[in-house]
Amino acid sequence: QKEVEQDPGPLSVPEGAIVSLNCTYSNSAFQYFMWYRQYSRKGPELLMYTYSSGNKEDGRFTAQVDKSSKYISLFIRDSQPSDSATYLCAVNSGNTPLVFGKGTRLSVIA
Amino acid sequence: DVKVTQSSRYLVKRTGEKVFLECVQDMDHENMFWYRQDPGLGLRLIYFSYDVKMKEKGDIPEGYSVSREKKERFSLILESASTNQTSMYLCASSFDGGRETQYFGPGTRLLVL
Repeated sequence: QKEVEQDPGPLSVPEGAIVSLNCTYSNSAFQYFMWYRQYSRKGPELLMYTYSSGNKEDGRFTAQVDKSSKYISLFIRDSQPSDSATYLCAVNSGNTPLVFGKGTRLSVIA
Repeated sequence: DVKVTQSSRYLVKRTGEKVFLECVQDMDHENMFWYRQDPGLGLRLIYFSYDVKMKEKGDIPEGYSVSREKKERFSLILESASTNQTSMYLCASSFDGGRETQYFGPGTRLLVL
């Protein structure tokens, strides 16, 4: 079983839709959870960072962690065409390199 | 702002050539990482370094080596390039080994003919 599983998509939604992106992980030692956004032909950039369980909100973005289910989510409200990108989840136990999901490609259609 | 720069955006090399990919960060980060990114395979860690002159193998080190002579610079070396090393190579740095965020460079798209 891979450490982090992420549906690769592609996911296509109309502008204004609520987008839900998800990852599952297998190692209960993971306690740091991140979402990166990667535009085409660019390097990934950090979007959201969460420690342990719970929700974190930043503008139109909400990151959610459910450690009991080993499930992490990123919600995008009022999605915009500028949100079209690949979204990568990443997890970490604290002293080891990040483990990345393979990424979900999102297209928001105007 | 943290800046991670990579020496080339695009590179074309021939099979058997020795290839150097350079990465420089300007935030005095201890930790630096090299990844390759391929469609369907995601980001895969090649090598990382937690300090000058230190290196650790990642998940796919075969066919690669690294050099870190100065804190701000981390080089990836393909000793004898092969076509299966055609990929997007991404460098990253972070202040802490894994807990803190990684900052990525723009990537080098390498084509080996």
